[in-house]
Amino acid sequence: GAGVSQSPRYKVAKRGQDVALRCDPISGHVSLFWYQQALGQGPEFLTYFQNEAQLDKSGLPSDRFFAERPEGSVSTLKIQRTQQEDSAVYLCASSKGQATQSRSGNTIYFGEGSWLTVV
Amino acid sequence: AQSVAQPEDQVNVAEGNPLTVKCTYSVSGNPYLFWYVQYPNRGLQFLLKYITGDNLVKGSYGFEAEFNKSQTSFHLKKPSALVSDSALYFCAVRDMLAAGNKLTFGGGTRVLVKP
Repeated sequence: GAGVSQSPRYKVAKRGQDVALRCDPISGHVSLFWYQQALGQGPEFLTYFQNEAQLDKSGLPSDRFFAERPEGSVSTLKIQRTQQEDSAVYLCASSKGQATQSRSGNTIYFGEGSWLTVV
Repeated sequence: AQSVAQPEDQVNVAEGNPLTVKCTYSVSGNPYLFWYVQYPNRGLQFLLKYITGDNLVKGSYGFEAEFNKSQTSFHLKKPSALVSDSALYFCAVRDMLAAGNKLTFGGGTRVLVKP
């Protein structure tokens, strides 16, 4: 597609419920990122994929957070047993570059985000 | 480790006046630097980036930014602000020598352009 597509755009979950957020990156983009943006703050890195390989998951806040990209295209971020502090915008992004091309300076393009509210 | 500071939470400017949004960074190696803009209830839109070469980078919507290595700064500028430039602006950095591609963002600066 023309841009990074995320769904759902808005999700209200009851505390304890599991949620799944989907990201469809720009066609042909090798790298895929998930970021979490709390209200009024800058995005915080969660995890990074190069094709289907999850190369960096250092930003995932707990073992309730899980991300996958099984075929190297669409990715899903899953949050189990949601808590109120999980309320945030979850941004997906993609770029052409690969981890081995860290000198490339490829631009990272972001989707519109999935707005999660846990009540 | 890499980090970004945006010292101003908000910048107010009158339409037609110059706009500057400040950003300083810290990296171990050489930086890749980016500016993004976020409109209400929207994702981040790429404005411009510095990779190498000329210190003055020109981007979308008339924005430009100047890389200053000695001051570790990458301030965003626009000569004549528009009301439609009112939004949240984020500076981001990636260490050229660091493994992986993740960006580290500043806390954001809200720009309000008054007619």
